[in-house]
Formats: sequence, C-alpha cells, structure tokens
Amino acid sequence: ETGVTQTPRHLVMGMTNKKSLKCEQHLGHNAMYWYKQSAKKPLELMFVYSLEERVENNSVPSRFSPECPNSSHLFLHLHTLQPEDSALYLCASSQGTGSNSPLHFGNGTRLTVT
Amino acid sequence: AQTVTQSQPEMSVQEAETVTLSCTYDTSESNYYLFWYKQPPSRQMILVIRQEAYKQQNATENRFSVNFQKAAKSFSLKISDSQLGDTAMYFCAFMKPSRGTSYGKLTFGQGTILTVHP
Repeated sequence: ETGVTQTPRHLVMGMTNKKSLKCEQHLGHNAMYWYKQSAKKPLELMFVYSLEERVENNSVPSRFSPECPNSSHLFLHLHTLQPEDSALYLCASSQGTGSNSPLHFGNGTRLTVT
Repeated sequence: AQTVTQSQPEMSVQEAETVTLSCTYDTSESNYYLFWYKQPPSRQMILVIRQEAYKQQNATENRFSVNFQKAAKSFSLKISDSQLGDTAMYFCAFMKPSRGTSYGKLTFGQGTILTVHP
C-alpha cells in the first residue's frame, strides 16, 4: 500500500465543471507537491507546499487552485478547465531535501476534460 | 535551469538479459542528486536508485546499478537479470540542493519505456 493516496483515480469533467483532486500522505512528511504528466512530455512541477505554506508556483494558470489545510493533505481545485489540461496529475511528498529525502508519489488521478 | 534528457523513447530486452538506459543532464551546479524512478502500469512512481554527485562510487541496488560520469554529465541505469516485472517507464531525475529549505524539486527527463519479453 502506498504511503501517498490520491483520489479519485479517474475523473472526467466538462469545461464548465468544478472538481477537486485529493492527496493524503501517511509518511509524516513536511513537503507536498503537485506534478502534471502529459503524454510525450516530462513531468511538470506545478506547486510545492512546505510546512503547509506554498513555496513554489510554476506559472500555473489560475484555473488550478491548490490548497494545503495541513501537512497530511493536499488538494487541487479545478474550474473552467481546457481540453489540453487532460493529463495524469501526480501528488508527491518528501521530508527534507537531498538524496536521503526522495519524493514519494501517489498513483495519480487521470483527468479527462471534455 | 537544469535539463534532463533521455534519448531512448523505447527499449526492449529479453528476460534474464541486461539492459542499459541512458540519461544526460545539464547543470552548472557542482553538488546535486540524481535519481531513477520507475512507473509501472499502476502509475505509481517508484524510486529505483539514487546517487549523490559528490560520491565517485556508483550506486547499486540489487539488480540495478548506475554508471555516473560527472564530467560527461551522464547517469545511465543498468538492469541486470531483467524480469517481467521490470516492464515500466523509467524516468531519470535531477535534484538541486535547496539550501535553507525543507523540500527538493525534481526535474525529470522524458522517460524511457522498457519492455521485458519472456
């Protein structure tokens, strides 16, 4: 069983819908991340939260809104998405920095925007 | 900015044989960390092996080993005695130390799809 759990596993939404992706980590880590994985492209870092504070926002459109209510939970709120936003969204967590603090990933949410 | 390049979109190998996946990177940093992650059809990214740039000795984890060439900025992964369960997409990743922070950002390559045939 993974220490990082993402729900839902699959999500299909229309361009006018509002939905949220959820991530929960059971590892006691202090940093959490959202990555976007599109076909034939490297994983793209979207957001980083460290100690529940957003520390990185890599020019992500405002239709993606992250929320980190505590160190164990991370959400990605979605609204007015575009078809090109269809991708696998991966959540990860880590403790500290460096090679002794690798990222641990969840199974991802496969998002399809119709 | 750092970049990571995996020049082999797809590779295949027969069960029990050895395969090497290539990775090169570009950075001006002298100290950093390198990783190989595996993503099977279950989609979960799993850490395979890690390497600190300041260590000259190549990392080894059971059947997995790396050939780290710092001057050439090359970090290849060798899988020995390939097993069917090794079938997955493999990602090379770079992490720059973040001084004064408690998190690390990974920059990934495009990935290599490895298929192990029986």
